[in-house]
Amino acid sequence: DVQLVQSEAEVKKPGESLKISCQASGYTFTTYWIGWVRQMPGKGLEWMGIIYPGDSDTRYNPSFEGHVTISVDKSTNTAYLQWSSLKASDSALYYCARPYTSTHRYFDLWGRGTLVTVSS
Amino acid sequence: DIQMTQSPSTLSAFVGDRVTITCRASQSINTWLAWYQQKPGKAPKLLIYKASTLESGVPSRFSGSGSGTEFTLTIDNLQPDDFATYYCHHYTAYSYPFGQGTKLELK
Repeated sequence: DVQLVQSEAEVKKPGESLKISCQASGYTFTTYWIGWVRQMPGKGLEWMGIIYPGDSDTRYNPSFEGHVTISVDKSTNTAYLQWSSLKASDSALYYCARPYTSTHRYFDLWGRGTLVTVSS
Repeated sequence: DIQMTQSPSTLSAFVGDRVTITCRASQSINTWLAWYQQKPGKAPKLLIYKASTLESGVPSRFSGSGSGTEFTLTIDNLQPDDFATYYCHHYTAYSYPFGQGTKLELK
């Protein structure tokens, strides 16, 4: 089956680092972009950034650039979203999502989401 | 950056009603627009892409229209399963902004 499997929920303290994952299966990982979308509690969807695993070309929403890092590990078909210093405002549900193709970039495949809670 | 604005933020309707949600882009986006449905605790589900193309498996009571800066999602003959939050989404090579969402509630 074609799917994106995300890592489990995390509870962290402000200032801690975190790396969450999104493992792809059922398709050629290196030929599809993978994006990350944030959903804060009770709020809407916000696109954070997107990466092309084939060459690690990465594009960020300016609102998130510098605060998160998106990367991939081609050997494990996994995309990552990481923070070096979490803030309470990073508490949210994070989805990974795959565009249909490089031309038609609507997200047709989604992970189930990883809930991140940042609290002292 | 292109901004996407949906209206209304909340919509109340009865089963069987026809409803329309509007999405406006801050500049022309041709037809590079998708619509998603999201239910609580679930990932968004693609309904429509390229403004008006129905995703496989999505009931035909859903339809999309528009081009340029104004788009609509229409749901005919509302069913109980349709009460959810709907998002428009502009997609390009460098930016993927979402609308703020429209919550469709049972009246």
